Amino acid sequence: QSALTQPPSASGSPGQSVTISCTGTSSDVGGSDYVSWYQQHPGKAPKLIIFEVSKRPSGVPDRFSGSKSGNTASLTVSGLQTEDEADYYCSSYGGSNNFVFGTGTKVTVL
Amino acid sequence: QLQLQESGPGLVKPSETLSLTCTVSGGSISSSSYYWGWIRQPPGKGLEWITNIYYSGSIYYNPSLKSRVTIFADTSKNQLSLKLSSVTAADTAVYYCARLRRGITIFGLQPGGCFDPWGQGTLVTVSS
Repeated sequence: QSALTQPPSASGSPGQSVTISCTGTSSDVGGSDYVSWYQQHPGKAPKLIIFEVSKRPSGVPDRFSGSKSGNTASLTVSGLQTEDEADYYCSSYGGSNNFVFGTGTKVTVL
Repeated sequence: QLQLQESGPGLVKPSETLSLTCTVSGGSISSSSYYWGWIRQPPGKGLEWITNIYYSGSIYYNPSLKSRVTIFADTSKNQLSLKLSSVTAADTAVYYCARLRRGITIFGLQPGGCFDPWGQGTLVTVSS
């Protein structure tokens, strides 16, 4: 199974929005309701911010939203804040009890 | 709340076996709703799923690592263990354990899900 494809970087000014894509195949992203997103600050463990494509865990701001179209999932961060500067990873169930992660995107707040 | 803590040697020699333990507190690994997983992250690189285990023994592996991975759930100690054999420098990474929260539908528990929460991770360096 190959890693899901994400852009290496994305950026925006405070208050703006940024959208990160996560492209897979019909065997993973396109065929699964179990796409999740993780935020990782430097030196820290990943933190779940979106699960089942578009659901937010308790405590995650509604500035974070997820969606999916075909084989591509997307994470949008609206109203960017300085603390949103981090690496973001998508993940998908890939069938046969396997999981695959994305290549990761570094978000910079300008 | 649920907490996970990885532990083990920080340095392993090439061709030897990497052994790690994940101690779970604030909850039981015997919970029927959850699997438990290991994920790794080479320095400066992305995340790679390694394996998942259910307390009763069901185990699933990343096909690329399956031949070298052993995972075990010790319910008496509420711990998970991971062994990776014949390591090389390419196995140098931060190793995380995490709870796999599986999806639930009207048809029951689904194989898909999300990893939450994660342990803080432990860096393992493979070097002579």
